[in-house]
Amino acid sequence: GEQVEQRPPHLSVREGDSAVITCTYTDPNSYYFFWYKQEPGASLQLLMKVFSSTEINEGQGFTVLLNKKDKRLSLNLTAAHPGDSAAYFCAVNDTGGADRLTFGKGTQLIIQP
Amino acid sequence: EAAVTQSPRSKVAVTGGKVTLSCHQTNNHDYMYWYRQDTGHGLRLIHYSYVADSTEKGDIPDGYKASRPSQENFSLILELASLSQTAVYFCASSDQNTEVFFGKGTRLTVV
Repeated sequence: GEQVEQRPPHLSVREGDSAVITCTYTDPNSYYFFWYKQEPGASLQLLMKVFSSTEINEGQGFTVLLNKKDKRLSLNLTAAHPGDSAAYFCAVNDTGGADRLTFGKGTQLIIQP
Repeated sequence: EAAVTQSPRSKVAVTGGKVTLSCHQTNNHDYMYWYRQDTGHGLRLIHYSYVADSTEKGDIPDGYKASRPSQENFSLILELASLSQTAVYFCASSDQNTEVFFGKGTRLTVV
């Protein structure tokens, strides 16, 4: 089945700097890709859902890049602020729907003032 | 707003005891899931359900049972709780091709 590797497990950046989190996956048939944010003690909040046909997706304060050739998904936070401190998880789905997600192990992001 | 409610939010159970975690969704979704989160790991799928009265095994079903008595409710049952089942459990719901909505999680400690 699908396997997802997420790097780095921990990341500390200064406020205003950028932060990059990367996931690699194994199943070339994977179709949907997701980034979730989890604040301490809270549930997972969907940041962005990416379709395999779109390589660049932009959100508020971040960009998601999908490289299908290398089977790599990345989350780039620009100008990080304290509210970005959280755990981030990528998830991959190969069924064409939102079910049966395979998650990466997560990245604990700390934004230093 | 879509809502997935889990109960209890935390629980301490005795090894060998029975534990039932409950989940209720008001999203009118067909799909419901139970995930487990361990420190340093992402979420792993335990059981899921596409329709009431039917459940499917996920990636790590051993030691767990699931029950979907209605579209809104989905329970996770640990018949004989073990120390290794100490974790945070998340319930979620979705429809095909829609966002997965997660509950706030249940922290289970088995002693």
